[in-house]
Parts: sequence; structure tokens; C-alpha cells
Amino acid sequence: EAGVTQSPTHLIKTRGQQVTLRCSPISGHTSVYWYQQALGLGLQFLLWYDEGEERNRGNFPPRFSGRQFPNYSSELNVNALELEDSALYLCASSLGQGSGYTFGSGTRLTVV
Amino acid sequence: GQQLNQSPQSMFIQEGEDVSMNCTSSSIFNTWLWYKQDPGEGPVLLIALYKAGELTSNGRLTAQFGTTRKDSFLNISASIPSDVGIYFCAVHNNAGNMLTFGGGTRLMVKP
Repeated sequence: EAGVTQSPTHLIKTRGQQVTLRCSPISGHTSVYWYQQALGLGLQFLLWYDEGEERNRGNFPPRFSGRQFPNYSSELNVNALELEDSALYLCASSLGQGSGYTFGSGTRLTVV
Repeated sequence: GQQLNQSPQSMFIQEGEDVSMNCTSSSIFNTWLWYKQDPGEGPVLLIALYKAGELTSNGRLTAQFGTTRKDSFLNISASIPSDVGIYFCAVHNNAGNMLTFGGGTRLMVKP
């Protein structure tokens, strides 16, 4: 069974640009969660999608947005990139209630 | 929101030593999970605990669900270099559909 896949694995962007990160959940998982991890520190919750709807949002500005598609894959969009957006962006999927998360390997974003 | 206090924030130990870390909260939870994140990877579930007082082992790892349901402990015996990484505790929200993570414990092992 394929795990959670994220693309791209690495990318470098210039301040002010926009970026789209992609996540494919484990087959059968309907929930997708996005986290930001800066400097190898804690996991900061960004967004949760389930059944195509945004269910919860962390304390991030509106330039962080996303969506979930009918096949449950998801995109995270970040507009007007700032230097402090440099981080590892992790996607996780879950079957839902009472289930743990399975994480992807992340996308390493560097903003210069 | 739910707050998990995880300690210590970091540990630098000698290979072969035992390790202990914990997570505490002011709230009661029905599930405690422990994840490990290898450098450059996403976190991976190590152990899940579902009952107060439960003690569960996974190889050299042992985790306990505190009897007050407000804390959990993770112990690693006879550490080896591949134990290096960040360990996170996590709990489910009341609806059981979202996890809250602790701040993580960074473990470094000196060969």
C-alpha cells in the first residue's frame, strides 16, 4: 500500500512569489492535515480537510490556503512568500475519528 | 485550545543509556500517541495508548498512559545511534478527529 506522498520534495522560491504544494493521502483516507515545521522544531497545525471541506484552520495568515479534491488529494497554497515561510511542510492523512495520522516525508521550502 | 507540555526539549546521551521523556496536560484525554521523526522525514507512529494505566512496549520502547489521564511517558532502553530524532506525544480532540502534538523532544545519541 502506497503511503502519503508529497511533491515536490524540495523547492526554492523568491520572496513575494507563490507556491503550491501537493499531497496524496493513503487510499481510503478522507482526512488530510497540513503542518509547518520550521528549523526542525515543533509541528504547527495549518489546515485540516475532510470530504472536500476545510474543517479547521491553525493560526496562520490568509495567504496560506488550500483545497481538497474529490479524490481526497490536497494542495497547500502560499501567496506572497516571506523568508520566515522557509520550513518543512508536512501532510498527513487519516481515516477519521479515533485514527492516528500517517505522515508524508514533507516538502522542504526555502524562501530566499 | 489543548496544550501539551513535553519535556525535556532536548537530550544528549551516550549510546547504551536509557532515556525517559514525558508529556503532561491540564486536560484529560482518552488516547495518547507517541511519534518519532527521523531527520528529514515525517513523523512515524511508535505507540498508541487507549486506557489509563496502560503500559505498552514496542521493542526497546515502553510507553505508559498515566492513571490521571493527564500525562504519558515514553522510555527507551539501551539507546543506539538510530534512536536519534524528535519524539512527539499527541492526543485526540474530544471528537477524535484531530491530533494535538506536544512540542517534541530532540534526542541525540553519542556513539
